[in-house]
Parts: sequence; C-alpha cells; structure tokens
Amino acid sequence: DAGVIQSPRHEVTEMGQEVTLRCKPISGHDYLFWYRQTMMRGLELLIYFNNNVPIDDSGMPEDRFSAKMPNASFSTLKIQPSEPRDSAVYFCASSLPIGQGRYEQYFGPGTRLTVT
Amino acid sequence: SQQGEEDPQALSIQEGENATMNCSYKTSINNLQWYRQNSGRGLVHLILIRSNEREKHSGRLRVTLDTSKKSSSLLITASRAADTASYFCATDSNQGGKLIFGQGTELSVKP
Repeated sequence: DAGVIQSPRHEVTEMGQEVTLRCKPISGHDYLFWYRQTMMRGLELLIYFNNNVPIDDSGMPEDRFSAKMPNASFSTLKIQPSEPRDSAVYFCASSLPIGQGRYEQYFGPGTRLTVT
Repeated sequence: SQQGEEDPQALSIQEGENATMNCSYKTSINNLQWYRQNSGRGLVHLILIRSNEREKHSGRLRVTLDTSKKSSSLLITASRAADTASYFCATDSNQGGKLIFGQGTELSVKP
C-alpha cells in the first residue's frame, strides 16, 4: 500500500485566500484524522471521521475551517479565508476499524502551509 | 486538553548510550502508544501497550506502563545516530479511536 497520501506537500498563499488540503487514507481504514502541528501548540487534533461521518470537530479552531469526507478514499480540509496564524504543518492520519483490535494511526507526510 | 506530557523536552546522548523518555497522563486509558517523528516527516507508530500490560519490548525498544501513577516510559537501548528524532506518547481513552498526543521529547544522538 502507498500509505496515507496528502497533497499538496507545500502551499504558500496570501492572507485571505482559500486553501484546500487533500488526503487519501489507506484502503480499508475507516478512521481519518486531521491534525495541525506548530512549534507553539504541538500536535493538535482538528477533526476526525469514522466511516466518512465527522465524529468530533471540537478541535477545529473556528468557522474558517471546514472538513469533508465525501467517500472512503478522500477527505479535504479547507481554510477560508486563510490567515498568517494558520501557518503550520497539517497532517492526515488513518487507522483500521477498532473491531480489528489495531489502534495505531498511520500518518501522511504532511502539508506545510505558509500564509503570508 | 493536553493528556500526555513527555519528560524531558530534549535529550542529548552519545551513540551507544541508552535513552529514556517519560510520559504522564491524566485520565484512564485503553492503551498508550509511542510514535517517532523525523524532521520534516509524519509520525510513525513504534509500539503500543495496553492498559492491562506493564511492560513490552520491540527490538531495542522497551516500554513500561504504570497505571497507578498514570505514567509510561520508553527506553531505547544502544542508541544510534539514526534514532535522532522527536518521540511522542499518545493516549487512547476509548473515545472511538481518538488519540491525545503529548508535546514530545526531542532526542539527539551524537555519533
């Protein structure tokens, strides 16, 4: 398997622009997680899905952030409008169904977002 | 809220020495996991220990868990320069697959 795939790997945009980050989880994984990592705040869980349904979005910073999972193989995280404080590395991760007794998460390579 | 807290925040050792990192958490857990992150990369799962286990080994890694103290430790024996990375503990509190990550320990192994 190719692992979790994220695109783009790097994104530089101007304040006020819309940013869309994309993630393809590992086939067969029914959990998908979006994280944000910064030096100041560490690794923060933004939102996660189970079977394409959002389960917990309490980590989403504000209404400028939205996430969707239209099918089992694709998810997006959108920031509109973007602000300089959104600059961070955004990770997508996926994991197997809990019923399989495997709880580890598999991370993608991340998208480094810079908002100027 | 932050569940896992690693100690120390940074650790610098010589190749061949052992490295010990500690993690404390606040609520009851289903399992505790350790991850490694190389600079500029995503996190990679290293080892998982369940709440009813006290110790687990995987190669040069040894993890202990003390649920009464709500703490865990990760020991890397005979460290190598390639072990240089950040190490994170993550707790699973049986909230439907959700993990809470600590702030991490930055390990530097000098050749």
